[in-house]
Parts: sequence; structure tokens; C-alpha cells
Amino acid sequence: AQSVTQPDIHITVSEGASLELRCNYSYGATPYLFWYVQSPGQGLQLLLKYFSGDTLVQGIKGFEAEFKRSQSSFNLRKPSVHWSDAAEYFCAVGPMDSSYKLIFGSGTRLLVRP
Amino acid sequence: EPEVTQTPSHQVTQMGQEVILRCVPISNHLYFYWYRQILGQKVEFLVSFYNNEISEKSEIFDDQFSVERPDGSNFTLKIRSTKLEDSAMYFCASSDGLAGEQYFGPGTRLTVT
Repeated sequence: AQSVTQPDIHITVSEGASLELRCNYSYGATPYLFWYVQSPGQGLQLLLKYFSGDTLVQGIKGFEAEFKRSQSSFNLRKPSVHWSDAAEYFCAVGPMDSSYKLIFGSGTRLLVRP
Repeated sequence: EPEVTQTPSHQVTQMGQEVILRCVPISNHLYFYWYRQILGQKVEFLVSFYNNEISEKSEIFDDQFSVERPDGSNFTLKIRSTKLEDSAMYFCASSDGLAGEQYFGPGTRLTVT
């Protein structure tokens, strides 16, 4: 069965430092991959997506992610974190085969130190 | 920019009562979804809806749940007899195609007492 793993429950970085959030997926083929962000009390906002082609994808708010097929990973990065980036970040895969659903990871909560 | 809207933002209900959560998807989208997120847990798929019928549902989506698109703009989730464990944030989403990204609404927080 398809699954998504985000191994880090919490990450704390200093404002201005770089950030990398890890995401690994389990699926036989190359899935569609997404990163969503959820600010406290808010809905899910799409940061970026990978469907095919260039494995480095750019998203909103200065985020990027790199798809690595050999590692089944789709890690999210940002070169310089801002205090407003503090939120929960979810990696997701899908739709795939005949399934319409997105499968989400358990999320990584990002805390930003001033 | 078009967005998915959901009402109400917070619903409190007593166990055993029926609730209807409402969503207005993005107007030219054809695929509609409900997800839920129990506090502190991951977002879970409930159901997808296309061409006026359910296209997929999860194990969570039992006989107590139903969905409907009563008119050209609204998409609703009904829980017939709520249980304490139905307390969660419910997200509606829509997409313009099977492989399209899903746009999520702000959610309805359902509290069952």
C-alpha cells in the first residue's frame, strides 16, 4: 500500500537559517507529490507539486523541493526561514492508479527561533 | 483568486445529532473531496465525488456518512448520528482533473459533546 513518511515530528530552526523537511514515500511507480502548509487554525495551502520533468520544483513563499527517485524522497527546502514560516508542513502523494485520494504524511511542525 | 469555502467554521453538536457540513468548491472544478483531521493526527481521506456520484470512499466513510451536490455550487457532507469520535476538522477540496492538485477549504471544526 502507498504510504508517506515524514520522519521529523518537530523541527526548530533560527530565523534566517536554512531548512530541509524530509519526506519519503512508498509506491511502485512515480507518484504525484505535493507539499502543503497548514498555519494554526487554517486550512491546507499548496506550496508546490511534482508531476514529472525537472526534479527540482519551485513553489510559493520561496520554497523548493527535490524529487529523488533513487531515494523515494521529496524533501522540502528553503534557504532562509522567516518567522512567518512557522506552521505544520504535510507531504502528500496521489492521485495514482484508479484512486483519487491524496495520502498525507503525519506532518512536521516547524518552529522558528527569533 | 478562486478558493474553496466552507461553512460553518465551527460546529458544536450533541452525540446522536445529525450535522451537515457545507462546501462551495471552485466553480470550474469537477472533482470534490472530503478529508478529516482528528486533533494532532494526519489528514485522512474520506470520500471523492465526480459526476454526481461517489468515486471512492475510505473505510471511515461508513453508512453514517453521506455526500451530496444539491445544486451547481454546493457540496455537502452529512453525518447522520454523530459520535464523540467524529470530532475533527473536516476539509473540503476540489480539483479540475484527476491528476490536478486539490485545493482545500479552511475547514469546519466539528465538536461532538
